[in-house]
Amino acid sequence: DAKTTQPTSMDCAEGRAANLPCNHSTISGNEYVYWYRQIHSQGPQYIIHGLKNNETNEMASLIITEDRKSSTLILPHATLRDTAVYYCIVSGNNRKLIWGLGTSLAVNP
Amino acid sequence: AAGVIQSPRHLIKEKRETATLKCYPIPRHDTVYWYQQGPGQDPQFLISFYEKMQSDKGSIPDRFSAQQFSDYHSELNMSSLELGDSALYFCASSVRQGANSPLHFGNGTRLTVT
Repeated sequence: DAKTTQPTSMDCAEGRAANLPCNHSTISGNEYVYWYRQIHSQGPQYIIHGLKNNETNEMASLIITEDRKSSTLILPHATLRDTAVYYCIVSGNNRKLIWGLGTSLAVNP
Repeated sequence: AAGVIQSPRHLIKEKRETATLKCYPIPRHDTVYWYQQGPGQDPQFLISFYEKMQSDKGSIPDRFSAQQFSDYHSELNMSSLELGDSALYFCASSVRQGANSPLHFGNGTRLTVT
């Protein structure tokens, strides 16, 4: 599975959009980009995933560059409850996700 | 909506004891995964099952074993417990059909070995 690179930490003001970047320059053609988040000591929560097209759901939007070497998770209106560690994972299947260090997002009032 | 249920939520054991963790997947999910998360670490994949058969194996110690039953629930059995086994153990489930279907995690079992 391809490795990902994410910033260690980010801050965002409450009510503003949070844009979390992820680099996955070695992604191969059949690998999906998944985003999960983990609020302290809780189970990881699935957010969104995509292959090459941009995706949107009730939680977030996922923007994947045309060359698929990077992506951005967008939380359109961040709230305090969005404070968590966000993991970008690239995998050709969902059976054995390899987790990186993630981005610790702090949403500030 | 129904989520993945894990039991117990907390478990305290002594060294060399055994422990059994249980996981009940979301209804109609046929694949179960086990992850271990040590303090301040990322989740590490242990093992997964699809239709009661082991489908993938990660960094699961030989002292641990797991199985998936006919009702799709899974149990992680841990023997000869060591202090280093203290961690959060997460179970996740997914629908295998469509290998890119996302995992849904339970809230974990916190195992403390003293």
